[in-house]
Formats: sequence, C-alpha cells, structure tokens
Amino acid sequence: GAGVSQSPSNKVTEKGKDVELRCDPISGHTALYWYRQRLGQGLEFLIYFQGNSAPDKSGLPSDRFSAERTGESVSTLTIQRTQQEDSAVYLCASSRFGGELFFGEGSRLTVL
Amino acid sequence: GQQLNQSPQSMFIQEGEDVSMNCTSSSIFNTWLWYKQEPGEGPVLLIALYKAGELTSNGRLTAQFGITRKDSFLNISASIPSDVGIYFCAGFWGYQKVTFGIGTKLQVIP
Repeated sequence: GAGVSQSPSNKVTEKGKDVELRCDPISGHTALYWYRQRLGQGLEFLIYFQGNSAPDKSGLPSDRFSAERTGESVSTLTIQRTQQEDSAVYLCASSRFGGELFFGEGSRLTVL
Repeated sequence: GQQLNQSPQSMFIQEGEDVSMNCTSSSIFNTWLWYKQEPGEGPVLLIALYKAGELTSNGRLTAQFGITRKDSFLNISASIPSDVGIYFCAGFWGYQKVTFGIGTKLQVIP
C-alpha cells in the first residue's frame, strides 16, 4: 500500500503475556519511529531506526520493550510480560532521511 | 532532548471563528511540522515548514516558521465542525531528531 501499515489494529492480552506489534513503512523510507500514546496524552518517543545505523533506543521505558528492523523494511515492537500500564496506542511512523514523518493508524493495546 | 511548549492545551470555539495555536522553545529547530489527529487514527501531516520566516498555507490553514527558529504557529480560519481533533507541532533538530508538542485539543461548537 501507499501508507504506513500497522498490525494488529487492536490487541487485547492478559497481564504477563508477550505481544508483538508490526509496522510496514512506506517503500523507500529509510527512517522508522515508534511512539506510545496513552489515552488523552501526547506522543511518547520509544525508538528510532535509520537505515543500517544502530537504533536510538533512548525512549524505551524498560527492558521489557524491544524492537527490531531488518534493513529498510518491516519493524516489530515486542513487549514482554505485559503490564496494565502498557495499555496504549502504539504508533509507527516512517520518513525519508530528514523528511516529514508519516504515521500509521496505530495498534491499540489493552492489557487486562 | 529539546523541549517544546505547545499552547493552548485545549480550545472550545464557535463554528466560523478563527483559531490560533503555537509552539515555542528555548532551542532552535531546523524544520517545523504540524499534524492533526482524529479519534482512533494516527496523526496526519498538515503543513511542513523548512525555513525561518516561511509562511505556508493549506486551504484554511496557515502556519509560520518563526524568524528566531524557536517557534511556530498554526492558524485555522473560519472553523468548521470537521476541524475537531488534536493538533500537534513537531520540530526537527540535530541529526534527524524530532520532538513533538503535547497537542492542542480543538472542539468546535456548531
């Protein structure tokens, strides 16, 4: 497709389970960002990938969070041993180097 | 990282009124972006600004890149109900670093 694609759009899980969220960036976009947005809040930076450079992981809130990206393709955000506080919308964005960010629709995570 | 102060945090306006919101910082930014987010969706890019002093319009929206490179504003003229949403500013700094404002929630009363 032409835009950033995220899946699943909604995920309900039990506390303690692991979840994987997927992001398909726009073709040709070398940069990929993950953000967390809690209900009624702003965008919280999590991690940034640029081409084959080492990712900027400075926003990951704990070691339960990790993300991978192979080259300039799909990225996966993994949350291990989920907690209720992890409930949020996880947004992915991609861009050309130095260009505007284009966002996906987000993955809404609910931890029961 | 760089800090952005976005204001106001929320606005209630009558349909037809003009709206103004802004982002300020003590730091310099290279690019300013303005996004709109509607419920259940991701932010959508409205306007991008690349040069200090630049004034850009997109329909009823007008945004400016402050001459000091430390601020930007977004104006919406003659508001309509579909303008409802959360508006975010974002500034680029350093090496592909980007910081987002906290958002301005806009409600339009018909």
